[in-house]
Amino acid sequence: AQKVTQAQTEISVVEKEDVTLDCVYETRDTTYYLFWYKQPPSGELVFLIRRNSFDEQNEISGRYSWNFQKSTSSFNFTITASQVVDSAVYFCALSGDNFNKFYFGSGTKLNVKP
Amino acid sequence: DSGVTQTPKHLITATGQRVTLRCSPRSGDLSVYWYQQSLDQGLQFLIQYYNGEERAKGNILERFSAQQFPDLHSELNLSSLELGDSALYFCASSSNPGLDIRELFFGEGSRLTVL
Repeated sequence: AQKVTQAQTEISVVEKEDVTLDCVYETRDTTYYLFWYKQPPSGELVFLIRRNSFDEQNEISGRYSWNFQKSTSSFNFTITASQVVDSAVYFCALSGDNFNKFYFGSGTKLNVKP
Repeated sequence: DSGVTQTPKHLITATGQRVTLRCSPRSGDLSVYWYQQSLDQGLQFLIQYYNGEERAKGNILERFSAQQFPDLHSELNLSSLELGDSALYFCASSSNPGLDIRELFFGEGSRLTVL
């Protein structure tokens, strides 16, 4: 079965703090893809990153970085020096061998206070 | 702008009524997905179409139906509406399926309020 768990329901930080959003997944597929999406208060869902199961290199994009560890089935997302504009709900998602389906976690609401 | 267009953006209707939500995928994308997001809830997968054919079904109620037309736009029909159907309905498109999964691009959503 495919499953994505985001145990952190809500996180509050003060601007400029670093924050890590956790994502743990379950799959029996050997090939799969992981994603992160951002949903700001305006409601739209914005794609952030895609990672396949064969690429365990961490990735950094500006203040955003992602740590993929197959050994712990985790794909965590870190925001460095958070800003108020980072306030949003962040979703982690998984797509496996049945490529028709994307499985989303329940989301983590991040509040960044000035 | 994701390139996925959804209409209407907002819709208010009464219980028992029927509504149709429309989605135009990104140019070139053959796959269309529909998701429901209720208040403070995650994304519930409803259904997926690829080039006009249904490919996967999620937790879609029998009162709901969808289709994808030859021009690749898709419609989600919701009938006999209940208060609990009030939600944000997202359409997403993708260039898959294939061996290389591509990300979903979401529209801005259609917010349905059932009174």
